[in-house]
Amino acid sequence: EVQLVESGGGLVQPGRSLRLSCTGSGFTFGDYAMSWVRQAPGKGLEWIGFIRSKAYGGTREYAASVKGRFTISRDDSENIAYLRMNRLKTEDTAVYYCTRDRLQAFEIWGQGTVVTVSS
Amino acid sequence: SYVLTQPPSVSVAPGQTARITCGGNSIGSKSVHWYQQKPGQAPVLVVYDDSDRPSGIPKRFSGSNSGSTATLTINRVEGGDEADYYCQVWESSSDQGVFGGGTKLTVL
Repeated sequence: EVQLVESGGGLVQPGRSLRLSCTGSGFTFGDYAMSWVRQAPGKGLEWIGFIRSKAYGGTREYAASVKGRFTISRDDSENIAYLRMNRLKTEDTAVYYCTRDRLQAFEIWGQGTVVTVSS
Repeated sequence: SYVLTQPPSVSVAPGQTARITCGGNSIGSKSVHWYQQKPGQAPVLVVYDDSDRPSGIPKRFSGSNSGSTATLTINRVEGGDEADYYCQVWESSSDQGVFGGGTKLTVL
């Protein structure tokens, strides 16, 4: 079964950092680009960034709202994608989803992990 | 940045047809993808590349895209179709994913 499982969410103070993980199973992880999408409470979906597969250079792109604060990386040997979030703000409070990408669509989604930024 | 516009809500009676629109500048030249999100659950891809369905998605779900509007059509609507629906494109010029604001489908 193809599956993505996010972890690492929690309560964090403004200005602090947090790293989320996304573990894939049931498919060849390294063959796919991976994205992160978030959803603030009661709001819509927001794409925040992605990392290409190594075959396409493993490069990354980010939404303007997180560029310079968030970093996406991957460890294909462990089937994990990471989202490192620095200088967190209260407006970063959201459910964070990782996705497996296919032809620029978000084909498979994890169940999400909740990040709450509050003092 | 590219903007996708969806109606906040659509209501339909069971057994009828629901149409959810997604407007964008020359959206007909892009590939549009649609997601269904039920309360407390992760989104699910229901239509990709304008009109294709992933395996397991009922044929009742279909999509079209032309000009400045893409449309998700759900035939013979059931109570289980009640959910939020989001359209999405990839903005190639900036390599960014873009979502519409979402449409809440209510089954009367």
